Amino acid sequence: GQSLEQPSEVTAVEGAIVQINCTYQTSGFYGLSWYQQHDGGAPTFLSYNALDGLEETGRFSSFLSRSDSYGYLLLQELQMKDSASYFCAVNTGGFKTIFGAGTRLFVKA
Amino acid sequence: GAVVSQHPSWVICKSGTSVKIECRSLDFQATTMFWYRQFPKQSLMLMATSNEGSKATYEQGVEKDKFLINHASLTLSTLTVTSAHPEDSSFYICSAPGLDSSEQYFGPGTRLTVT
Repeated sequence: GQSLEQPSEVTAVEGAIVQINCTYQTSGFYGLSWYQQHDGGAPTFLSYNALDGLEETGRFSSFLSRSDSYGYLLLQELQMKDSASYFCAVNTGGFKTIFGAGTRLFVKA
Repeated sequence: GAVVSQHPSWVICKSGTSVKIECRSLDFQATTMFWYRQFPKQSLMLMATSNEGSKATYEQGVEKDKFLINHASLTLSTLTVTSAHPEDSSFYICSAPGLDSSEQYFGPGTRLTVT
């Protein structure tokens, strides 16, 4: 089977740093993506890692270790608007993407 | 970035009727599109891969006769929910991959309520 594991909820305060972990077990692996989804909205792309290492995009960074089947999303300088669900997703080949269950991030003032 | 639209954004229908949802790539061509279903506070579950000019590929457990997919052109895929039941009520989202497959462009979603 295929599975992606991530925490169900994370709570942090404004200005803090939060890390959302994702471990995966899939039949194919071409890359790990992260998406943000606000309630009632569609997912929006945040980052993609095909190779091991850290990718930085503004306040968001994403890390991948293929040997450990593990990645994380790092959000810095948290803002209230960052409260949303965050999904890790694996590209299993042929453009096909499988999503994790999602992590609900609550940012408190 | 690439834009994907969906229509309608929401729909209410009666049990037993059929509903068609359209997914369009507005500024690019998509030979492949994906249909997802999302229940409240849950993940996106891949239902099927829509292939232009050929039959869709359905994920395990998804009834192909109930969820009819047609990808008639390089910019349009449709999902028809046939003989809808209240348990089909959900958020249906389509996506199309970017050129290098690193990113999926999602439509805004269609909220279906079956009464």
